[in-house]
Amino acid sequence: IVLTQSPGTLSLSPGERATLSCRASQSVSGSYLAWYQQKPGQAPRLLISGASSRATGIPDRFSGSGSGTDFTLTISRLEPEDFAVYYCQQYGRPPLTFGGGTKVEIK
Amino acid sequence: EVQLVESGGGLVQPGGSLRLSCAASGFTFSSYAMSWVRQAPGKGLEWVSGIATTGGSIYYADSVKGRFTISRDNSKNTLYLQMNNLRAEETAIYSCVRPTGSYILNPFDHWGQGTLVTVSS
Repeated sequence: IVLTQSPGTLSLSPGERATLSCRASQSVSGSYLAWYQQKPGQAPRLLISGASSRATGIPDRFSGSGSGTDFTLTISRLEPEDFAVYYCQQYGRPPLTFGGGTKVEIK
Repeated sequence: EVQLVESGGGLVQPGGSLRLSCAASGFTFSSYAMSWVRQAPGKGLEWVSGIATTGGSIYYADSVKGRFTISRDNSKNTLYLQMNNLRAEETAIYSCVRPTGSYILNPFDHWGQGTLVTVSS
């Protein structure tokens, strides 16, 4: 399953809302779709699994939605620490695959 | 605290081989599937391979099938990746990752810092 993330780069200011898209080439079974955040020099951090369930310790400004082939990660109000690269991943069918990433940068 | 520490990376010529190891601690290793994920410099994430708790189920990315072999030793709490016939485009940081549960098909909630593999003549 090929995952296509858009946009490639999102330029926003702190306090603004971020909407990231992840589109799958085939339906993702069971909504087995995860989102990760990666900052420079750090390992990725799991944000969302099952398309909409926040991982332990993830603030509620992060939310996930979608099903089938279209998924969205929303950050309701950007905090300075949220500027990073975000990846979606499907884990419903092998091989597991990641999207190409969306960079959220400070405008 | 979960810890995943990779080793075995380095410089290898195209067509060469390398064996990576991942020492796990802070959890019951034999109760979790494990995977390898790689990231080329400045690029995105690519899942490479995953192995079930007892090694009875194994999956590979199409790009490495037939050249890479994943294995584990639950008595040593260690995950391995044997990489043969390496290509220049496989230069990347290789990270050991633990999913949230016992199945390969789970998201990853723990990542090692990775070991750099450089394929170059």
